[in-house]
Amino acid sequence: AQKITQTQPGMFVQEKEAVTLDCTYDTSDQSYGLFWYKQPSSGEMIFLIYQGSYDEQNATEGRYSLNFQKARKSANLVISASQLGDSAMYFCAMREGALKGWGKFQFGAGTQVVVTP
Amino acid sequence: DADVTQTPRNRITKTGKRIMLECSQTKGHDRMYWYRQDPGLGLRLIYYSFDVKDINKGEISDGYSVSRQAQAKFSLSLESAIPNQTALYFCATSALDSSYNEQFFGPGTRLTVL
Repeated sequence: AQKITQTQPGMFVQEKEAVTLDCTYDTSDQSYGLFWYKQPSSGEMIFLIYQGSYDEQNATEGRYSLNFQKARKSANLVISASQLGDSAMYFCAMREGALKGWGKFQFGAGTQVVVTP
Repeated sequence: DADVTQTPRNRITKTGKRIMLECSQTKGHDRMYWYRQDPGLGLRLIYYSFDVKDINKGEISDGYSVSRQAQAKFSLSLESAIPNQTALYFCATSALDSSYNEQFFGPGTRLTVL
């Protein structure tokens, strides 16, 4: 069963505007981690931001912030002041905290973001 | 210098051929992973290894095998390639003792099976 759901296959956003990328997850574990990765057209996977299930505050990294709503099981990525270089595929991922599975990720299908001038 | 390297970067092969994709890392991480990426499906885990003596199947291991030759090397083999194994393949590493346990990815290998 799909554990990470990204419902937006693609989005257009204008330069300098903020954009929110949706991610919902499914787990019965109490301990887990949520990640966002960026994949530009060149193909590499770039780690952006992390949120732990026990973290009380939303994670922020520069222009990236994670809107973590634990009860709703959502971990949306917010990119503020979009730049042309933000055009990329964005993946949400989850690492569950089960003993053997610690470190194993599951990824969503991704959201393609295009930033327009 | 890249911390996680993959060779080859691109490969075109024919149905039935045996293919090996190699991954090396200089990060000193104990955990290594192989994923494949297909459009609309994200990344799916093929195999993972938590140390040299530990190999585990992921969600789509059929048709693939792996070898962990050393802490720094993890190879993926397609014993008899078929066209639906055409995909972008990623190797990744992570460290048990890192704060986030995030995964670090290689540049990817684009494999085409004709």
